[in-house]
Amino acid sequence: GQQLNQSPQSMFIQEGEDVSMNCTSSSIFNTWLWYKQDPGEGPVLLIALYKAGELTSNGRLTAQFGITRKDSFLNISASIPSDVGIYFCAGQLGGGSQGNLIFGKGTKLSVKP
Amino acid sequence: EAGVTQFPSHSVIEKGQTVTLRCDPISGHDNLYWYRRVMGKEIKFLLHFVKESKQDESGMPNNRFLAERTGGTYSTLKVQPAELEDSGVYFCASSQPIAGELFFGEGSRLTVL
Repeated sequence: GQQLNQSPQSMFIQEGEDVSMNCTSSSIFNTWLWYKQDPGEGPVLLIALYKAGELTSNGRLTAQFGITRKDSFLNISASIPSDVGIYFCAGQLGGGSQGNLIFGKGTKLSVKP
Repeated sequence: EAGVTQFPSHSVIEKGQTVTLRCDPISGHDNLYWYRRVMGKEIKFLLHFVKESKQDESGMPNNRFLAERTGGTYSTLKVQPAELEDSGVYFCASSQPIAGELFFGEGSRLTVL
């Protein structure tokens, strides 16, 4: 089946550092989404990207939809302890049914105060 | 406004037993989705309801899984008989009728011994 390769798998950083994670695929996606999952909670949407090349920010978070439509990255600037969690990229294939999202395996972020 | 609620939060059963998971979507959301995350792997799409109809069930693993949404409100996902590989976290999500953001529940963790 379709796969998203998300990296890194985990990150251990110091508070205040910037973070970058990305997802790549061999398939073309119409939509890229970035979610965060806190312990014991469900994924929550952070940023949605709908056009190739689109660069969108949400506070300290910035994400881009790759020009080739096969990749996306998420940057977090000046990390804080509450950024801890698992970050998932997700994409929707062209022709795929609405809500049939393909997820990456997640990037587990740990922030040391 | 109440979010997506799932029950139970955690279920431990023995191989061969039956388990039924329930999801109550956000009121007014016609779209309801089931996803599953097996330990260490990506979150995978199982199926999509629009009201009481199955719009896309391409992700259902096999016929041991049965999803229903009678009346177009809450949904159940039954696993019968459960196997060891069914262990994981089952997420339910719902969205507005037209191309809306998916709101996830906290998930139901299933452990099959």
